[in-house]
Amino acid sequence: QKEVEQNSGPLSVPEGAIASLNCTYSDRGSQSFFWYRQYSGKSPELIMSIYSNGDKEDGRFTAQLNKASQYVSLLIRDSQPSDSATYLCAVTPYNQGGKLIFGQGTELSVKP
Amino acid sequence: GAVVSQHPSRVICKSGTSVKIECRSLDFQATTMFWYRQFPKQSLMLMATSNEGSKATYEQGVEKDKFLINHASLTLSTLTVTSAHPEDSSFYICSARVSTEAFFGQGTRLTVV
Repeated sequence: QKEVEQNSGPLSVPEGAIASLNCTYSDRGSQSFFWYRQYSGKSPELIMSIYSNGDKEDGRFTAQLNKASQYVSLLIRDSQPSDSATYLCAVTPYNQGGKLIFGQGTELSVKP
Repeated sequence: GAVVSQHPSRVICKSGTSVKIECRSLDFQATTMFWYRQFPKQSLMLMATSNEGSKATYEQGVEKDKFLINHASLTLSTLTVTSAHPEDSSFYICSARVSTEAFFGQGTRLTVV
């Protein structure tokens, strides 16, 4: 079982729709959870971080965390073509020196 | 946010030569930096954790004699790919953490011909 799993996609949504990205993780003791966006040929950029159960909203982005189910999601409202990228879920496992473990990424395509 | 600067952004080298990649924290001190490798259409794979003033910790399957890491100061970590081969061609990215958040360098595209 991979430590962090995502659907690889591609996920295609029309402009203005809600894009829903999902991630599961295996280490129940994981403390911190992140969503990164990566454009082709570029390094990842942080979109959202979440540390406790529930929802966290920032503009068009909402991260949801359910530690009991070991599940993290990212919702993008009013999707724009500029949101087209690969979205990486990352988790900090418990007691491993703060390193980040990434999922394989979900490719999102927003069609005009 | 914190700034991590990585150089070079792109390098082409001949098979059998060595390449050094630098990663600098510009506005903060980083006692720990992380080195990742990313092949096309794949995710970031952690290679090693670089610790200032001590030996790096390598992930399972990563050859420490091939990927030399030096973290001699609180603002600089280097990754040297020794005796590079075409299969080492990849996108190498460094990262440093400030509190709970990680900041990434721009990445280095290495092509070994």
